[in-house]
Amino acid sequence: DQQVKQNSPSLSVQEGRISILNCDYTNSMFDYFLWYKKYPAEGPTFLISISSIKDKNEDGRFTVFLNKSAKHLSLHIVPSQPGDSAVYFCAASDGLQGAQKLVFGQGTRLTINP
Amino acid sequence: NAGVTQTPKFQVLKTGQSMTLQCAQDMNHNSMYWYRQDPGMGLRLIYYSASEGTTDKGEVPNGYNVSRLNKREFSLRLESAAPSQTSVYFCASRSYTGYEQYFGPGTRLTVT
Repeated sequence: DQQVKQNSPSLSVQEGRISILNCDYTNSMFDYFLWYKKYPAEGPTFLISISSIKDKNEDGRFTVFLNKSAKHLSLHIVPSQPGDSAVYFCAASDGLQGAQKLVFGQGTRLTINP
Repeated sequence: NAGVTQTPKFQVLKTGQSMTLQCAQDMNHNSMYWYRQDPGMGLRLIYYSASEGTTDKGEVPNGYNVSRLNKREFSLRLESAAPSQTSVYFCASRSYTGYEQYFGPGTRLTVT
């Protein structure tokens, strides 16, 4: 039972345009969501997050939108740059209690074309 | 600060061999985690340790054991390696005050 799904395995975008990566979840108890970026042969690095009490969080070129009723979040990158080419994972958490496990999606490989 | 370190970076094992993957963090984090990453599967949690002295199973614990040696170190052991354990293994840590987990560079393990 995949609780967090990224239905697009790959996405190709032209440099300078907007990249939109999508993520869906099924567990209504999730209350915090994160995006990680992963380059080949490196560990994932934290990119941006959003609490379920918000519907938008912005950090420079990166914006995450949360639609709780649709159980959907998206990451917007504007403008896209060649260094953004990486695999992006969304992750969800059901609270800060205990170990606070994260559930990850399958990842989307983003390629920015010059 | 080195953050989260993992050793070794690469390992090739024969079926039935055993090995221990080492992980250490220098951020004074309380919680530590072991994940495996397989193509099309994302990151799946193997074991975790909410705090020093405690360990619990994650989503895919079969074939693995862990030890939380102290607050800094969390090791993952494969007692009898199988080809299905060929994967990239990541260790991560987290403080009590934040949701973000910080990952090590990974260990690429091949079992033949």
